[in-house]
Amino acid sequence: GQQVMQIPQYQHVQEGEDFTTYCNSSTTLSNIQWYKQRPGGHPVFLIQLVKSGEVKKQKRLTFQFGEAKKNSSLHITATQTTDVGTYFCAFLSGGGADGLTFGKGTHLIIQP
Amino acid sequence: DSGVTQTPKHLITATGQRVTLRCSPRSGDLSVYWYQQSLDQGLQFLIQYYNGEERAKGNILERFSAQQFPDLHSELNLSSLELGDSALYFCASSAAGGTEAFFGQGTRLTVV
Repeated sequence: GQQVMQIPQYQHVQEGEDFTTYCNSSTTLSNIQWYKQRPGGHPVFLIQLVKSGEVKKQKRLTFQFGEAKKNSSLHITATQTTDVGTYFCAFLSGGGADGLTFGKGTHLIIQP
Repeated sequence: DSGVTQTPKHLITATGQRVTLRCSPRSGDLSVYWYQQSLDQGLQFLIQYYNGEERAKGNILERFSAQQFPDLHSELNLSSLELGDSALYFCASSAAGGTEAFFGQGTRLTVV
């Protein structure tokens, strides 16, 4: 079935540096969602993208969906310690009648 | 707080045993999803129920089963447990027609 690959698996940054995680698929996706999971916590929905080339911003977070709808990225500007966690991309493969397929996630570690 | 409640938070049991995990979705949400999170497999979709009926199946083992009751709460039954079943089990719910999933705090299952 469809899968998404996320890179990098781990990212260490100094507080204040930028961070980007990438999500890639070999097939066209109808949608992409991003979730954040804090250490010891549960996944929390961040955003959904559905249009080719779509860009959405939430404060310091910028989400992009590629023109071919095969890749997506999440960029965080000027990271803060509160950004620590694992960022997952995920997609619904069809009709809402199934669950999310998740990438393996990118673990963001921030050094003060 | 996502509004999704899972019990118990932690569960330790022996191989070969059977356990039941419980989930109460957000008020008004008809869809309930079960996910398993482990270090090697990541977050995997197990099964979805919608208004009491099974809607979709993911990577759910035959030893596992679920149901959704008239009050919309759901139970995930895991039987003949093996060491490899040790994982975090998340329940999520979503509104009818909605795509955002709201995750519960999870049940950490340890099989010894």
